[in-house]
Amino acid sequence: KAGVTQTPRYLIKTRGQQVTLSCSPISGHRSVSWYQQTPGQGLQFLFEYFSETQRNKGNFPGRFSGRQFSNSRSEMNVSTLELGDSALYLCASSPLGLAGGAGANVLTFGAGSRLTVL
Amino acid sequence: SQQGEEDPQALSIQEGENATMNCSYKTSINNLQWYRQNSGRGLVHLILIRSNEREKHSGRLRVTLDTSKKSSSLLITASRAADTASYFCATLSGGSYIPTFGRGTSLIVHP
Repeated sequence: KAGVTQTPRYLIKTRGQQVTLSCSPISGHRSVSWYQQTPGQGLQFLFEYFSETQRNKGNFPGRFSGRQFSNSRSEMNVSTLELGDSALYLCASSPLGLAGGAGANVLTFGAGSRLTVL
Repeated sequence: SQQGEEDPQALSIQEGENATMNCSYKTSINNLQWYRQNSGRGLVHLILIRSNEREKHSGRLRVTLDTSKKSSSLLITASRAADTASYFCATLSGGSYIPTFGRGTSLIVHP
């Protein structure tokens, strides 16, 4: 079956602009999580969506937002981009959601969206 | 904040040698997972070990867990150039069900 698909793979923006990233999870997976990866901070959790509801949110400013659609596809948006937002944004899906019990929180990651802010 | 911290940060070995990476964490966990990331790509799940397990094997991978020391190790036996990647541990603790990732160990296997 198809894996987790993230688009676009690469994008370049300038400070002050906004960006929308898309993630299509594995078919049947209802949970989508987003992570930001930078050399300095490692992998930082952004938020998790399950059945169109945001269940968990990491410690990021309100410029970072997301949503999930009825088909489980998810988007994240970053407004008023800053240089420090340059990162690899990773989406991951899991079948029962992260609270689904032991083993259910194994994540399948997409290849990521590489955002460069100039 | 990082829960798990991998050690060493970087490891360089020759093909055929064994590679050992360690992960230490601070609070009690429900389970611990190891992931691999090839350069600039997404993470791939390798193995999950529950808090009541001490050792698990998967092919050339062996994971141990010592909850008294709050540490885990990942052993890759007979390494191959294709094992070159970053390896991350992720812990699941308490009432949270968001895996928390360490900063990773960068492994280079020279052919």
